[in-house]
Amino acid sequence: QKEVEQDPGPLSVPEGAIVSLNCTYSNSAFQYFMWYRQYSRKGPELLMYTYSSGNKEDGRFTAQVDKSSKYISLFIRDSQPSDSATYLCAMSEEDYAGGGADGLTFGKGTHLIIQP
Amino acid sequence: DTGVSQDPRHKITKRGQNVTFRCDPISEHNRLYWYRQTLGQGPEFLTYFQNEAQLEKSRLLSDRFSAERPKGSFSTLEIQRTEQGDSAMYLCASSYWTGSRSSNQPQHFGDGTRLSIL
Repeated sequence: QKEVEQDPGPLSVPEGAIVSLNCTYSNSAFQYFMWYRQYSRKGPELLMYTYSSGNKEDGRFTAQVDKSSKYISLFIRDSQPSDSATYLCAMSEEDYAGGGADGLTFGKGTHLIIQP
Repeated sequence: DTGVSQDPRHKITKRGQNVTFRCDPISEHNRLYWYRQTLGQGPEFLTYFQNEAQLEKSRLLSDRFSAERPKGSFSTLEIQRTEQGDSAMYLCASSYWTGSRSSNQPQHFGDGTRLSIL
């Protein structure tokens, strides 16, 4: 079992829908949690980062972390065709979001398709 | 802020050749990371530098791989005697670490160098 599990999809939803993406993990030492968006042939682009449990909102994006369940989520409201991309969750064991020893641990990514 | 820059964007080479990639981090960032990403997978950590010191290497970094960051600015990743299995996207990321949790920043990635081995 990998440290971070993420459904690769594809996940196809109509424009305007609320999208829910999630990851589960096994390492209870993870403290920082990030979501990156990656378009084809481009590098990961940081969307959200959170520390420990709780919610964080930024525009149409909301990140949730439940450390007791080892489960994190990203919600996208009013989804747009331009949101079509691969969404990667990433986690860090070290005590700050910059990573450090062993870098970030990523999920496989979920391929999201927003239908116009 | 021009972001993390990687060069070249795409490298095609024959098996057995040596290749070198370059990464220019965000200018004020003191930490620099290398990752490898294969199709359908998330990035996997290879190594990282704090300033010019290489502080961590993954078991994925075989002895054919070497990375440097002279003067704590740009970094190079060299692969010697390339193999088919080295075909991947090589990503560089940077971050600023103060040692204090109060001003932490996450990693920002470049667009990678895609390596194709013929």
